[in-house]
Amino acid sequence: DFVMTQSPDSLAVSLGERATINCKSSQSVFYSPNKKNYFAWYQQKPGQPPRLLISWASIRESGVPDRFSGSGSGADFTLTISSLQAEDVAVYYCQQHYETPVTFGQGTKVEIK
Amino acid sequence: QVQVVESGGDVVQPGRSLRLSCAASRFTFSRHPMHWVRQAPGKALEWVALISYDGSNKYYADSVKGRFTISRDNSRNTLFLQMNYLRVEDSAVYYCARGSLGYSYGPFDSWGQGTLVTVSS
Repeated sequence: DFVMTQSPDSLAVSLGERATINCKSSQSVFYSPNKKNYFAWYQQKPGQPPRLLISWASIRESGVPDRFSGSGSGADFTLTISSLQAEDVAVYYCQQHYETPVTFGQGTKVEIK
Repeated sequence: QVQVVESGGDVVQPGRSLRLSCAASRFTFSRHPMHWVRQAPGKALEWVALISYDGSNKYYADSVKGRFTISRDNSRNTLFLQMNYLRVEDSAVYYCARGSLGYSYGPFDSWGQGTLVTVSS
């Protein structure tokens, strides 16, 4: 099974500052035939279901503010919030959907400093 | 606006059964793979099961294999999860999630609000 490891487990950032979350997969999630990374980021606010933020490692979903960006390839990925807003307080999960079992990271809790 | 609404969660005793449903609307249900994902209180997301768009392929997490069955009725736009031999560790909020169009393994682009399953004696 693919093991997804996020770092850090939590982080506190001042409003307007940058937040960076890393995710490392135990195996590459890059599929050569279509050159896609089978990797996504989700945001889960308290009491809400997860929401897809970034698909295929770097594609921002419709309606997601452009302060969110995803980067990386293969087995190492990063989610960056360029200027943290109060509404970004949430737990962020990475996910590989390259094969089953689909696996998620343990989550990173983002708070305001 | 895509909508998926779960139902069927309840409090049950260990060893009993429960059937969850997920009603889909405002999209062509029969074209999408569908997933169940669960989340125990205060814990991370855990994928449970996947069913292909036509129901011909099904995949399960090892933790539920042999006890849970995923199915779908495309004529009723509904996804199901039959849960047998429930254990205390199956207690969680169960989410129905839509898989991306055109990919057997794609990101989960819409999620329901979840339904709570509590297994306790």
